[in-house]
Amino acid sequence: NAGVTQTPKFQVLKTGQSMTLQCAQDMNHEYMSWYRQDPGMGLRLIHYSVGAGITDQGEVPNGYNVSRSTTEDFPLRLLSAAPSQTSVYFCASSYSKEGAVGYGYTFGSGTRLTVV
Amino acid sequence: GNSVTQMEGPVTLSEEAFLTINCTYTATGYPSLFWYVQYPGEGLQLLLKATKADDKGSNKGFEATYRKETTSFHLEKGSVQVSDSAVYFCALSSRQAGTALIFGKGTTLSVSS
Repeated sequence: NAGVTQTPKFQVLKTGQSMTLQCAQDMNHEYMSWYRQDPGMGLRLIHYSVGAGITDQGEVPNGYNVSRSTTEDFPLRLLSAAPSQTSVYFCASSYSKEGAVGYGYTFGSGTRLTVV
Repeated sequence: GNSVTQMEGPVTLSEEAFLTINCTYTATGYPSLFWYVQYPGEGLQLLLKATKADDKGSNKGFEATYRKETTSFHLEKGSVQVSDSAVYFCALSSRQAGTALIFGKGTTLSVSS
């Protein structure tokens, strides 16, 4: 099925460990982004990309790294995990950053990360 | 700047009750407005949308009308079901501002039989 695929679905890390959350889409979307969802905070934008080789910071980028070597993939790297990074992470894609007016974003099913 | 404000939840209703979830926004230019729904353990799904003033978005019995004069996009459903229990997010995008989708904080709806 076409869409946004995130792996893994669940992950437990120890403080200081690093890991990569994977995101792939097969809709030829130029725009991809990462959000984190925390209780009472809604969704906050971490990083985004408007095309291969182009990335930029969102609202809460500290502690995360991204790269975009292909149109399809947009991995999120946690450099040194901290308990404050315990959250649910969503990848989203679209034809454009503004959601190609009226189209909106397609979301993955999320990665639930716990840092102990 | 652009922002979205939703009524705080949780909203608890009995089956077949009328639902309203309020959403107001602040934006430059003429934003597009969206409602997303998140069922337990899942990602967000687009529920409905409106791209210009007075447009009405509708899907699965839910409706919302883009009201420019009151900068609102309230979500309504005439008769909720237990299966509607979820978190609902209001969002906007503004091509003029060149911003990514901006979300409200979400409203949790719980429907009991």
